[in-house]
Parts: sequence; structure tokens; C-alpha cells
Amino acid sequence: DIQMTQSPSSLSASVGDRVTITCRASQSISSYLNWYQQKPGKAPKLLIYAASSLQSGVPSRFSGSGSGTDFTLTISSLQPEDFATYYCQQSYSSPMYTFGQGTKLEIK
Amino acid sequence: EVQLVETGGGLIQPGGSLRLSCAASGFTVSSNYMSWVRQAPGKGLEWVSVIYSGGSTYYADSVKGRFTISRDNSKNTLYLQMNSLRAEDTAVYYCARDTVVPAALVDYYYMDVWGKGTTVTVSS
Repeated sequence: DIQMTQSPSSLSASVGDRVTITCRASQSISSYLNWYQQKPGKAPKLLIYAASSLQSGVPSRFSGSGSGTDFTLTISSLQPEDFATYYCQQSYSSPMYTFGQGTKLEIK
Repeated sequence: EVQLVETGGGLIQPGGSLRLSCAASGFTVSSNYMSWVRQAPGKGLEWVSVIYSGGSTYYADSVKGRFTISRDNSKNTLYLQMNSLRAEDTAVYYCARDTVVPAALVDYYYMDVWGKGTTVTVSS
């Protein structure tokens, strides 16, 4: 099974900060990596697919990069609505998807 | 509007059975890959099962042999039959549409439409 490890597990930041979340795969997954945002009590929302493609309707302050085993999600200028938990997910071993453990982004 | 609505969750004793439903609107379930994903209280996301448009089904090892995914094309609805339920199956269960983007080697998959979830609690 492909394991996905996110870092950090939690992060405190301020509105306007640039934030980067990292996701590492236990083996190469090329660019088969998606990012989701989840707010408390809500369903996950797709942000980025195929490592760097922005889902329609998602603000351009979100960006993704990486290939192989190392990936990043960057928020260029944090907005109040961005405080949430973020998950990466690999689809390389489809249909056996795996998610990272999540990164909780909190207000400093 | 593209939408998924899950129903059928509740409190069930260990060893019991439950069937979850996921009604779709705005798109056709049978033309898409459809997944179930769950989230235990305070935990992360765990993929549970998927049904392909052609009817093939796949399961996480944690539920294989106990859960069955299916769909009713006439009702445009996805189901998850859960048998032999255990305490560790307690979670919010989400259904999601898997969008497939063809690629040269391996197609890209991502879950772009999600329901709001239904809560399953397995406890005596």
C-alpha cells in the first residue's frame, strides 16, 4: 500500500501569510496527487488535482506542485475562510486511494 | 445543480446491518465512478469503496467481505450495504463522484462532488 505523510500535522498562521503544506508518498506516484480542504462539520472540497491543476471555482491563491514522492500545497495569502484541515490523496494506485493524515491550519 | 444526498445512517449494535443511500441529481450515477469515503470521529479520511461505470467494484481491506457497493440506475442512487458492523466502523460516511481524466499511462482520478455525509454509530 502507498502511504501518504503530511507535514506539519498542524500549523498556526495569520491572515495574509504565505503557507506551505507538504505531502510525501511512500513510493513514486508521478503526479497522481489531489488536495482537499475540509471545514468542521462539512464535506471535503477538491482544491487541486493532478498535483498542480486548480479545480474550477477555487481561488488562484491556492497552488500545488511536485512530482514523484514530494508535493506541496501553497496558499499565497491566507484569507479568513482558509482556516481548515487540508488532506492530500494519491490516485496512482486507483482504485485503492489513500489520504494523508491531514494538516490543520489554525489562526495565530 | 449537481448534488449528492446521503441517508440511512443511525445507531446500530455491533454485528448489525445498515444500508446507506446516496441520491444524485444533476448527473447520472451509472455514467460515473462513485466512491464512499468515511471519517471516524476526530480522524482523517478513509476511502471505503468504489463502483465503476462498467459495474466493477472495489473495497478497502478493512471492509472487504462485509460491505457491498451497488447502484440503482432507475433511481440514480448509490448504495452501501454494511453487514457485520463493528465499533471501528463508526464514522461519517460520504459519497463522492470520481471524475476520470484520461492520461497516457494511468488515468487521473479525483473526487469533485461530495455529499454532506451521514453518520453511522456502532455501539451497544
